[in-house]
Amino acid sequence: EPEVTQTPSHQVTQMGQEVILRCVPISNHLYFYWYRQILGQKVEFLVSFYNNEISEKSEIFDDQFSVERPDGSNFTLKIRSTKLEDSAMYFCASSEAQRVGAEAFFGQGTRLTVV
Amino acid sequence: AQKVTQAQTEISVVEKEDVTLDCVYETRDTTYYLFWYKQPPSGELVFLIRRNSFDEQNEISGRYSWNFQKSTSSFNFTITASQVVDSAVYFCALKNRDDKIIFGKGTRLHILP
Repeated sequence: EPEVTQTPSHQVTQMGQEVILRCVPISNHLYFYWYRQILGQKVEFLVSFYNNEISEKSEIFDDQFSVERPDGSNFTLKIRSTKLEDSAMYFCASSEAQRVGAEAFFGQGTRLTVV
Repeated sequence: AQKVTQAQTEISVVEKEDVTLDCVYETRDTTYYLFWYKQPPSGELVFLIRRNSFDEQNEISGRYSWNFQKSTSSFNFTITASQVVDSAVYFCALKNRDDKIIFGKGTRLHILP
């Protein structure tokens, strides 16, 4: 069964460092997303991406964040200068279509710890 | 405003008991979808069900059942004859015309042996 794959599963980084979280969406999907879950809290939308550009972003997704699809398979989230409050589980998701009911398939998450 | 409320933060039941997780949503749209996801201790999000706003039929899948009541904007989830493996955090979520899923805060379910 096709799945969304995220690497690494856990990343520890020092405050102020840049970090890149990687995702391989399902191959025929066209819409890509990043969500964040601070420990013990709800899952929050960060950004959606389609046709090589951001289609929507939340207020959380400030200038420190960027997304990229550098090749035909990977979808990355970069945090330029990490802060302690960026520590969270980051989920990548992909969807075949943007229609309201299209199911988003989530990856297993990357746990980011900023120290 | 779009919002999903899961009033139960944490529930504990003894194995084999039935348990219902509540979900109330708010949206201005007439077309929307509701979801339930399970997050086991390993952390991944497991899709359980999707329901569209035009289909109020209740659904049963094995020990799981869902009760969608548009009149009360609720989409409750019942686990029958609970098992220890059902222990997890369960999220109710809403998707409408915006290209994003709005999650509730989750209900942590403990099934005690």
